[in-house]
Amino acid sequence: EPEVTQTPSHQVTQMGQEVILRCVPISNHLYFYWYRQILGQKVEFLVSFYNNEISEKSEIFDDQFSVERPDGSNFTLKIRSTKLEDSAMYFCASRRTDQETQYFGPGTRLLVL
Amino acid sequence: DQQVKQNSPSLSVQEGRISILNCDYTNSMFDYFLWYKKYPAEGPTFLISISSIKDKNEDGRFTVFLNKSAKHLSLHIVPSQPGDSAVYFCAASVGYNRLAFGKGNQVVVIP
Repeated sequence: EPEVTQTPSHQVTQMGQEVILRCVPISNHLYFYWYRQILGQKVEFLVSFYNNEISEKSEIFDDQFSVERPDGSNFTLKIRSTKLEDSAMYFCASRRTDQETQYFGPGTRLLVL
Repeated sequence: DQQVKQNSPSLSVQEGRISILNCDYTNSMFDYFLWYKKYPAEGPTFLISISSIKDKNEDGRFTVFLNKSAKHLSLHIVPSQPGDSAVYFCAASVGYNRLAFGKGNQVVVIP
């Protein structure tokens, strides 16, 4: 069964550094999402992406964040200058155009020191 | 953001018995509701969903009930199995858009 994959599984970075989190959505899915979960808190929506542009973003998704679909398979989340509070699990999700259900990847655990 | 609430953070149930998880929401515009299951170090796995035009959806051992007037949904797992031990998240959306999640319920099924 097709799955959403994410790399790396873990990333440790210094505050102020740039990180890029990578996702490969399910191949026939056209809607892509990033969510994050800070330890002990809810899973929070960051951004949705369709047809090579952002379709919706949350208040968390400020100028430090960007998303890109650099080729036909990858979907990336970039954090330009990481802060301590960016430490979280970051989940990528995707869905088909004709279905409501979002399917999630295994997540990337980001630790900012 | 308290749009989706899951109280009773943990639940222990004997194998073979019913597990009932509850979820309340405040946004009356939500029209699609999902339950996800999550094991440690994994992403949320889709379990079952229901749209606001229905009040019940069943898939094998899993049944979701929706009470729109009470803004309440519940997930029933029967019979519960040890492999069901996980964190269960309730989520909701308006249309096919962003998901709002509850905080999750830890379920432990005792063999």
